[in-house]
Amino acid sequence: QVQLQESGPGLVKPSQPLSLTCTVSGGSLNYGFYYWNWIRQPAGKGLEWIGRIYSTGSSNFNPSLKSRVTMSIDTSKNQVSLNLISVTAADTAVYYCARGGYSNSLYAFDIWGQGTKVTVSS
Amino acid sequence: DIQLTQFPSFLSASVGDTVTITCRASQGFNNYLAWYQQKPGKAPELLIYAASTLRRGVPSRFSGSGSATAFTLTISSLQPEDFATYYCQQHNTNSVFPFGQGTKLEIK
Repeated sequence: QVQLQESGPGLVKPSQPLSLTCTVSGGSLNYGFYYWNWIRQPAGKGLEWIGRIYSTGSSNFNPSLKSRVTMSIDTSKNQVSLNLISVTAADTAVYYCARGGYSNSLYAFDIWGQGTKVTVSS
Repeated sequence: DIQLTQFPSFLSASVGDTVTITCRASQGFNNYLAWYQQKPGKAPELLIYAASTLRRGVPSRFSGSGSATAFTLTISSLQPEDFATYYCQQHNTNSVFPFGQGTKLEIK
């Protein structure tokens, strides 16, 4: 059974870059037609899709974050990474990675990690 | 970009009730509309995709319908474990993946 696990620093200083990793276990990033998504959720608020990446490295981003976001994929480590530059307090949130596959759910997000909390503060 | 608006934002109901949550889109799109359930401190879980397709393992008291700009999630015979926050989401492959703002379902 595929599982996702986010990891990264819980505290980031303003203006610094934020880097998170999503490790996939129980299956290969290369197998099947899956996109790997990042979503965030500020405390007490709703969900915001950040972007997604395919196993080939092809990616799409939320226009509101596009100028600050990059994603990468390391199939040898079965990991997907999120990088967000120039962070501010508004980037404080729980960050989730999630899988979206055509055959399982027409790209709806059928498997989610447990999330990792990131606080931006000096 | 398409924006999704859910209503109501808050809903109070009792065990055994039937409730309906609506998700309206700012413009019409194909029926790639998903519903998620989120409990406090947990990641969201997919309930329904493609507007009305129940994900395997999800109880049949959950149902979805709608098309174009108006979609609904209906929960029949509410169970205690159903009290949570629900989000709709467009999952069209050629666009961003916006979520609705959420509907919190509370016990009356």
